Amino acid sequence: AQTVTQSQPEMSVQEAETVTLSCTYDTSESNYYLFWYKQPPSRQMILVIRQEAYKQQNATENRFSVNFQKAAKSFSLKISDSQLGDTAMYFCAFMKGGAGTASKLTFGTGTRLQVTL
Amino acid sequence: GAVVSQHPSRVICKSGTSVKIECRSLDFQATTMFWYRQFPKQSLMLMATSNEGSKATYEQGVEKDKFLINHASLTLSTLTVTSAHPEDSSFYICSASRGTEAFFGQGTRLTVV
Repeated sequence: AQTVTQSQPEMSVQEAETVTLSCTYDTSESNYYLFWYKQPPSRQMILVIRQEAYKQQNATENRFSVNFQKAAKSFSLKISDSQLGDTAMYFCAFMKGGAGTASKLTFGTGTRLQVTL
Repeated sequence: GAVVSQHPSRVICKSGTSVKIECRSLDFQATTMFWYRQFPKQSLMLMATSNEGSKATYEQGVEKDKFLINHASLTLSTLTVTSAHPEDSSFYICSASRGTEAFFGQGTRLTVV
């Protein structure tokens, strides 16, 4: 079974600054995907970024980037130039890969990010 | 991205009644859908995997007779909370699978009074 750990229940960052959210995971799988989801107060789950485990290059998506350390099983999210709209709950998630595998997600406990003026 | 619609967004029901929640993939066919439950300020916990045309697979500890799942078509899965009790009050979220991508519905806040 996979586990996903987010050790920061809450974080705060000033507008325009950079913040990094931590995530570690444990798995015996070699083929998998990692995700960061954002859940704003509306509670709609929004995909922020995804990383394929077989790719060495860290994924980036505009102001969002990850630091994927496969050997350490670490997958942190960096948010640059933080904006008020980034205020949300952020969940790290794991998905096992492989042909015919349904995309079941295992979520971490979440980090509540508050962006302040 | 693809669109998944979940309905209703909020529902209040009396204890002992049943409530049905629908999850529709609007612009793609989803052979697999997932139902999650989220308690306040907590993470999403997978309840069950819904497969089109077959029985759902429930996670350990989830009562299959209480949480009935039907996936009769490639675009619709339903979750029925039977004989609801106050402890069933929660936020329920569905997701539809397209390969390794998961698309989420808006969620349903269920309150049992």
